[in-house]
Amino acid sequence: QQKVQQSPESLIVPEGGMASLNCTSSDRNVDYFWWYRQHSGKSPKMLMSIFSNGEKEEGRFTVHLNKASLHTSLHIRDSQPSDSALYLCAASKSNYQLIWGSGTKLIIKP
Amino acid sequence: EAGVTQSPRYAVLQEGQAVSFWCDPISGHDTLYWYQQPRDQGPQLLVYFRDEAVIDNSQLPSDRFSAVRPKGTNSTLKIQSAKQGDTATYLCASSRGQLSNERLFFGHGTKLSVL
Repeated sequence: QQKVQQSPESLIVPEGGMASLNCTSSDRNVDYFWWYRQHSGKSPKMLMSIFSNGEKEEGRFTVHLNKASLHTSLHIRDSQPSDSALYLCAASKSNYQLIWGSGTKLIIKP
Repeated sequence: EAGVTQSPRYAVLQEGQAVSFWCDPISGHDTLYWYQQPRDQGPQLLVYFRDEAVIDNSQLPSDRFSAVRPKGTNSTLKIQSAKQGDTATYLCASSRGQLSNERLFFGHGTKLSVL
């Protein structure tokens, strides 16, 4: 059973639109959430991380975290074709085990 | 800062053949990970090291896979007798320390096709 669930599996958003991606951990022993982005044929690169309740914004990207429900979401406003990628969510434990989700494939349609 | 270096970039094998992947982590990173990533899926941990010690290899198919990091720097992952189900990209990643807030840096990966 996947301990980090991501939804949706795939998402098509028009250029300039808002993309919203979700991630929930069923393992309560996690204390840090990560979002990585992986362009086709490339390696994953860390996009944002969050460990406190609330939200964190960096440019067009906003991450929310609800620690009570262990749910995080990533929102991309004014989506660009270059945002098309596989978005991976991971949760880390204090012993530094990283639990990865299966990813959301985001396609931005020009 | 130099990134994580992996070689080779690609490998194509027949079933039953052996292959080795090599990884050079970022200098000063004591933690090194090997992941298997099937196409369009998330990475799946195979093994990770802190310095030269194996911390977790519970997901490594030990009958055919082996991994070493003898001096706590470079690492080699070997598949003894490849199967078609091993077709995937093999990613190496490194990080500093063992705190849960340390990000991972990935190499470009080795894309393996087993025919």
